[in-house]
Amino acid sequence: DAGITQSPRHKVTETGTPVTLRCHQTENHRYMYWYRQDPGHGLRLIHYSYGVKDTDKGEVSDGYSVSRSKTEDFLLTLESATSSQTSVYFCAISDGGRNNSPLHFGNGTRLTVT
Amino acid sequence: GESVGLHLPTLSVQEGDNSIINCAYSNSASDYFIWYKQESGKGPQFIIDIRSNMDKRQGQRVTVLLNKTVKHLSLQIAATQPGDSAVYFCAEKPDNYGQNFVFGPGTRLSVLP
Repeated sequence: DAGITQSPRHKVTETGTPVTLRCHQTENHRYMYWYRQDPGHGLRLIHYSYGVKDTDKGEVSDGYSVSRSKTEDFLLTLESATSSQTSVYFCAISDGGRNNSPLHFGNGTRLTVT
Repeated sequence: GESVGLHLPTLSVQEGDNSIINCAYSNSASDYFIWYKQESGKGPQFIIDIRSNMDKRQGQRVTVLLNKTVKHLSLQIAATQPGDSAVYFCAEKPDNYGQNFVFGPGTRLSVLP
């Protein structure tokens, strides 16, 4: 398994509270991603990073922010959680870019917003 | 476990038989494709990939076929085992510069004893 650790694995929070999810990798891969997975949908990209302090938005970025201060860590923050953000969040890493290479995923964080 | 597969199509196969899981992709410009396996409570696990300049690629017990004419991808699993029971989904990469893979919703494979 790729060395990807997501924390926490489970989180219950109330509407309006801030939440930060953490992804830590030991592979020294350049690219890191945050996806959400919901019933009836394929994985959808929230934000991704192509280097330290370099990030870009994905398909469903509204309500989320990210930070990458070190190669190994990529944080996803919900500034004010809403019930629509109840989901399973997956971090992924890749050493690709223009050279196609697969994404490798962590085991996810299940977030419930009540 | 997670309820991410509530409304997925299901393929049921007998243990020992071959399985074929299909995926229709959306973008004729996609140049890279991946198959993933996802077990309950876990993240997607890479199985096999294929580039658009190929039409077939084989791995251990798995084969991916790519038909660019009809934008179709399939995953064949030989001698299906109980441990193969999972959700399988394909991913396409629409261009060589972007980072946004497009993922299908998946197919649940159920292996019958």
